[in-house]
Amino acid sequence: GQQVMQIPQYQHVQEGEDFTTYCNSSTTLSNIQWYKQRPGGHPVFLIQLVKSGEVKKQKRLTFQFGEAKKNSSLHITATQTTDVGTYFCAYSGAGSYQLTFGKGTKLSVIP
Amino acid sequence: GAGVSQTPSNKVTEKGKYVELRCDPISGHTALYWYRQSLGQGPEFLIYFQGTGAADDSGLPNDRFFAVRPEGSVSTLKIQRTERGDSAVYLCASSFDGASNYGYTFGSGTRLTVV
Repeated sequence: GQQVMQIPQYQHVQEGEDFTTYCNSSTTLSNIQWYKQRPGGHPVFLIQLVKSGEVKKQKRLTFQFGEAKKNSSLHITATQTTDVGTYFCAYSGAGSYQLTFGKGTKLSVIP
Repeated sequence: GAGVSQTPSNKVTEKGKYVELRCDPISGHTALYWYRQSLGQGPEFLIYFQGTGAADDSGLPNDRFFAVRPEGSVSTLKIQRTERGDSAVYLCASSFDGASNYGYTFGSGTRLTVV
């Protein structure tokens, strides 16, 4: 069935460096959501993208949805230790209720 | 309440025993979901409720798993004859509408360990 691939699986960065995680699908997605899960915590909703080529920003976080709606990215500028965690992309079918999650990208930030 | 509440936070049970996991969603959220998360993996869909009815239970792994939401608010996930492979964090989430347009709000989860 349809699924999304997240790369990289792990990323270690020095504090202050930028970080990007990618979410790729072989088929067109109706929407994409991003969640952050801190170590020992639960997933927390960050954003939803629905339009082709959409770009949204939240402070140091920039989210993009590809023109073909087959890929998405999350970019963090000047990482901080508070950014540590696993970032998941997830999608649902048009008008659907079920989210399917990727395997996530685990970010470590070295102070 | 202010968030999604799940109890217990941790549950250790012996293989073969029956367990119940409880979820109290955000007031006013009609959609409720159960997910299961194994170590190093993303959450995996189990079941979705819209109101009192299970709109989709296609993610339940087998007939040992069952969930109810009798009054359209609190939900209970029930696992019979537990197996060691059932060990995982069970996450409950709720959303304002079933189309997940506003994202899910997850609870802190129940960590189930079957020994």
